[in-house]
Amino acid sequence: QLQLQESGPGLVKPSQTLSLTCSVSGDSISSTSYYWGWIRQPPGKGLEWIGSIYYSGSTYYNPSLKSRVTMSVDTSKNQFSLKLSSVTAADAAVYYCARDLIVGATGAPGMFDYWGQGALVTVSS
Amino acid sequence: DIQMTQSPSSLSASEGDRVTITCQASQDINNNLNWYQQKPGKAPKLLIYDASNWETGVPSRFSGSGSGTDFTFTISSLQPEDIATYYCQQYDNLPLTFGGGTKVEI
Repeated sequence: QLQLQESGPGLVKPSQTLSLTCSVSGDSISSTSYYWGWIRQPPGKGLEWIGSIYYSGSTYYNPSLKSRVTMSVDTSKNQFSLKLSSVTAADAAVYYCARDLIVGATGAPGMFDYWGQGALVTVSS
Repeated sequence: DIQMTQSPSSLSASEGDRVTITCQASQDINNNLNWYQQKPGKAPKLLIYDASNWETGVPSRFSGSGSGTDFTFTISSLQPEDIATYYCQQYDNLPLTFGGGTKVEI
């Protein structure tokens, strides 16, 4: 059974960089059928896609966050990671990692079929 | 970006009721739409993909329909365990975008 688990600091100071890692078990992150994505949810609010990464390192980022986001993948550890720089209070959220199925003819990501439990990140000095 | 507008934002219904949620896209997205269920304190769960296809293991009381810009999600007979917030999500164009959610209560 596929499982994803987010890990990283739960508290980040304003202007610093948020760093999270997603560990994948039960499937290879090198599967050619999937991207691996990050989605966030501010407390009491809706879902926002941050971006997705392929095992090769190819990425798609949400343009609204693109200037501050870096994703990476470590196939040897079956993990992928998120870095979000220059955080503010608006970045406080539960951050989810998810498996992101490639859909359609474009080869782009689009469907989150397995999710981690989520990691709450607070931004405060 | 494609904007996804869900309605209503919340609803209250009785056990056994038929519940309908709508999702409207700001442009034609064909049938490139998914529906998720999120229970309090939990991650979202994929229920419906490609607008009308059930994810494996999803009860048949959940269904989806629509194409183009207008989509519907239906619970044919509301059960207590269906209390959750439901989200639509389009994948016709990047960035992937979600609707604002519909909170379903009994």
